[in-house]
Amino acid sequence: EDKVVQSPLSLVVHEGDTVTLNCSYEVTNFRSLLWYKQEKKAPTFLFMLTSSGIEKKSGRLSSILDKKELFSILNITATQTGDSAVYLCAVEDRGSTLGRLYFGRGTQLTVWP
Amino acid sequence: EAGVVQSPRYKIIEKKQPVAFWCNPISGHNTLYWYRQNLGQGPELLIRYENEEAVDDSQLPKDRFSAERLKGVDSTLKIQPAELGDSAVYLCASSSSRRTGTGNTDTQYFGPGTRLTVL
Repeated sequence: EDKVVQSPLSLVVHEGDTVTLNCSYEVTNFRSLLWYKQEKKAPTFLFMLTSSGIEKKSGRLSSILDKKELFSILNITATQTGDSAVYLCAVEDRGSTLGRLYFGRGTQLTVWP
Repeated sequence: EAGVVQSPRYKIIEKKQPVAFWCNPISGHNTLYWYRQNLGQGPELLIRYENEEAVDDSQLPKDRFSAERLKGVDSTLKIQPAELGDSAVYLCASSSSRRTGTGNTDTQYFGPGTRLTVL
């Protein structure tokens, strides 16, 4: 079964809208949660989260982790067409598979001008 | 600083043919990963190397897939023979992680991938 579940799977918005992407997870020994942005090529790193309640911010993007409820959100404010991409959430399990990342299916975000 | 380099970017082959992918990680990164990403899915790990040692290959289909990282830098991933279901994007990633008692923490940086189509 999926260890990392993202929602929604796809989202269409207009420029200027604010979006919230969700990621819930279930791993034996959580170590970190990562967000990546994937356009038509390589996933590019956005954030790594290890502690609950501490918001990470980069420009119009921000993310926060809740280790009690086992989820994270990625917020994008004032969306632009260049934000159109697949946003991947991954969780690192430090159990028997030390350092292995488990990815969700991603959220396909489309921003219309 | 150059990123992770992969080649070829695209490959189209007929089933039962062999195929090989090449990856050059970011300079100084000792850990190298090969992932497979099917359409509409997230990447799935195939194999992870720390230097030249394969430390996690439990998800590599060993009947037809092989990989090597002989000098602890570049790596090749081979499929022989390819099947229709192998069509996917094969991503290489690297990190400068070091194994500690609490595991690896460093970020993985991805290459552009090789899109394989098996006809």
